[in-house]
This record gives sequence, structure tokens and C-alpha cells, in this order.
Amino acid sequence: DTGVSQDPRHKITKRGQNVTFRCDPISEHNRLYWYRQTLGQGPEFLTYFQNEAQLEKSRLLSDRFSAERPKGSFSTLEIQRTEQGDSAMYLCASSPSSDRDSPLHFGNGTRLTVT
Amino acid sequence: AQSVAQPEDQVNVAEGNPLTVKCTYSVSGNPYLFWYVQYPNRGLQFLLKYITGDNLVKGSYGFEAEFNKSQTSFHLKKPSALVSDSALYFCAVRDGSGGSYIPTFGRGTSLIVHP
Repeated sequence: DTGVSQDPRHKITKRGQNVTFRCDPISEHNRLYWYRQTLGQGPEFLTYFQNEAQLEKSRLLSDRFSAERPKGSFSTLEIQRTEQGDSAMYLCASSPSSDRDSPLHFGNGTRLTVT
Repeated sequence: AQSVAQPEDQVNVAEGNPLTVKCTYSVSGNPYLFWYVQYPNRGLQFLLKYITGDNLVKGSYGFEAEFNKSQTSFHLKKPSALVSDSALYFCAVRDGSGGSYIPTFGRGTSLIVHP
């Protein structure tokens, strides 16, 4: 169990640029989640995959955000035309579908700063 | 809909004293409850969960939590705090009756243990 891996750890970008983050879940986990966390807040749900299917998206997720999980393995989260309000920690988590009670296993996150 | 309230932004306790971090929840079906801990610039780490059974659940690092259905609470406790317990603590809930596997997190409580 190598844990959930996220890349990059930090990203600084200028407003209006596009950014893409990658998440590699624990290998046998078919469920994958993206959350966003801002200072002083708890993780806020963005989107959820089971295998390659994106089953849920937060209504808060603007159309500038898109996520994919080709072949049900790693996932990418892209933010187009970034805004300063997008500055946050982006957390990826995974869990096994074989265990209904399983907690989420989180990566260490990607911290995005939009200048 | 499901939600979590953590009424205290910060809890201060002296090393060696007992600690309690409060959590109340709202969910329409069966509550699946979780506590996580977060250290600076890291992802969340699972501490313990309540799914069913004994109302007192034990978890990692000497933490325990008590499920109280009538008060819709799931407070985190530890008999003797350590300075190294200082971190952010998040309570999470999801509906165990439905088909959603997406937990909702509270805003977090900062635990500060003084030497």
C-alpha cells in the first residue's frame, strides 16, 4: 500500500491560465474522490468516480472544472481560466468498493495559488 | 441532505488532561460517522469510525468516540492528551442507508495541547 499520490504538491499560476492536477489512488481502490479545502474550512466535495465513471459532481463545481479517470486508474482535475478564488488545497481520496464501510484514504493534496 | 457541525473552532488543553472535540450531525438515514486528523500541509488521516454496534468506538493513537443517537452527536475523546496530538480534527458523516458513498465534512476543530 503506497498510499494516494498527488502531483504536483504546489502550483502557482497566473489568473486566466489553465492548470491540471494528477491523482494516483491506491491500486485496488475503485472509488476516487476530489475535494477542495480552503483555509479554516473542511474539505468540500467536488466530484466522485467509481472506476472510470464519474457518478457525482457538486453543484458548486463550475464549468471551468473538469475531471477524468480514464481506464479507472489515475485521475486528473483540470481548472480552466483560473481565478483567484480557485486558490485552495485540492485533495484526492480513494476507497475500495469491496468495503461499504471503508473510510477515505487521502493524498497530501495539491496547493494551488492563483496570482 | 447530510451535514456536520463542529461548534468549536479551537480546543485548548494541557498535556495529560482529558480532551473532547465535539461533533453533531444530521442525516436522513443511518449515520456512518468518521473522525480524521490533519497535520500541516498534509492530507487527512483516518482515526476511527462508527457504523453500528457499541456506541463507544476506539481508534488510532488512543482516541475514542462516543455515538449518541438521541443527541445526534459523535464526540471525539482521549483520556490523556499529548503535545503531539495538536492538529486539525474533522468529523464526517455519510448516509449508510442510501446509495451515495460521499461523506460530508465539518469545518474542523484545531486542537492545541499545551506542555
